[in-house]
Amino acid sequence: EAQVTQNPRYLITVTGKKLTVTCSQNMNHEYMSWYRQDPGLGLRQIYYSMNVEVTDKGDVPEGYKVSRKEKRNFPLILESPSPNQTSLYFCASSSTGAPVLHFGNGTRLTVT
Amino acid sequence: QKEVEQNSGPLSVPEGAIASLNCTYSDRGSQSFFWYRQYSGKSPELIMSIYSNGDKEDGRFTAQLNKASQYVSLLIRDSQPSDSATYLCAINLTGNQFYFGTGTSLTVIP
Repeated sequence: EAQVTQNPRYLITVTGKKLTVTCSQNMNHEYMSWYRQDPGLGLRQIYYSMNVEVTDKGDVPEGYKVSRKEKRNFPLILESPSPNQTSLYFCASSSTGAPVLHFGNGTRLTVT
Repeated sequence: QKEVEQNSGPLSVPEGAIASLNCTYSDRGSQSFFWYRQYSGKSPELIMSIYSNGDKEDGRFTAQLNKASQYVSLLIRDSQPSDSATYLCAINLTGNQFYFGTGTSLTVIP
């Protein structure tokens, strides 16, 4: 089954404790992206990647890191999480030939 | 100026009525346009994509695009309670740059 898989689905952590949210897709998509979704603000792009070893900042990259060492994986790293990073996070992917985004199931992160 | 603007609603319609959702965008270079449906706490799922001016129909859903007016709409005919969700309008610029509106909350009243 073609899908984008995010883990974990729920995560509660404390300020400053490094964490990684994983994202993997099995559709051989070139493009992958991370979004956060907050009430009243919609989906905002954090980082995106056009292909392996190519990443770029989105609209809200502060406090986040990403890497794209393999085509299928695009982890989101929070080196020192803060409470303002409490949000619902989505990973998405698409093919450059057909720009339709496929979303993962989301990760609800709470930072206390 | 936001790239994509939507009325946040909430929009309420009775069951069986037509729900009309609207979206405007600012970048005339926008090439592709999408409507996603999102249930609370779930991921967005694609309902419609439209690439050229005019109407595109898929079952109870019709997307309408007017590039001159920079306007995209979604009509849902014979609305059902299961259509109650937030509807996200999205545009695609060159490459894979996507921009989303903040969404319109729709409630279909039985």
